[in-house]
Amino acid sequence: GAGVSQSPSNKVTEKGKDVELRCDPISGHTALYWYRQSLGQGLEFLIYFQGNSAPDKSGLPSDRFSAERTGGSVSTLTIQRTQQEDSAVYLCASRRQGGTGELFFGEGSRLTVL
Amino acid sequence: GQNIDQPTEMTATEGAIVQINCTYQTSGFNGLFWYQQHAGEAPTFLSYNVLDGLEEKGRFSSFLSRSKGYSYLLLKELQMKDSASYLCAVRDYNNDMRFGAGTRLTVKP
Repeated sequence: GAGVSQSPSNKVTEKGKDVELRCDPISGHTALYWYRQSLGQGLEFLIYFQGNSAPDKSGLPSDRFSAERTGGSVSTLTIQRTQQEDSAVYLCASRRQGGTGELFFGEGSRLTVL
Repeated sequence: GQNIDQPTEMTATEGAIVQINCTYQTSGFNGLFWYQQHAGEAPTFLSYNVLDGLEEKGRFSSFLSRSKGYSYLLLKELQMKDSASYLCAVRDYNNDMRFGAGTRLTVKP
């Protein structure tokens, strides 16, 4: 596709349930980032994938959060046993090799945990 | 680790000039980026600096001083549509990209 695609755009779940958020990066982009943005706040780094290298997971807030990237393309962010404080917009971004290295963001997945 | 600071909010008048500052501390600096984010939308790329000096793109300019850990985004001839949050982001040698909390700019008539 032309841009970064994220799904679902909105997700409402009950506390304690697991959720999966999907990101489809721009074709050919080698790097993929996940960020979390709470209402009125900045972007909190979660995890970064670069090619076949081991991902940088240093931003994941707890072991309830995990992410994978299959075949160097699509990525899934999984949150287990969701808590109310997990409610936020989850943004995915991709970056191509070379150039200035700016990130291209998807529209985000808005997660609400009741 | 990285520490990125920018003012929380700023207000300016249509047609005026506004400067949004960003200070940072990082190990392994490899570029500073500015993004614009309108409410409810995804961030979009505005500018990039990796060497000291000023980069100009139309009404927007960005400055970097690596020795001072300092950047600013300059917006000229402000328009109402420039009301948005402006995010400063720093990249390190591992290509980690970390963002400041953002500066919410309100442009008034």
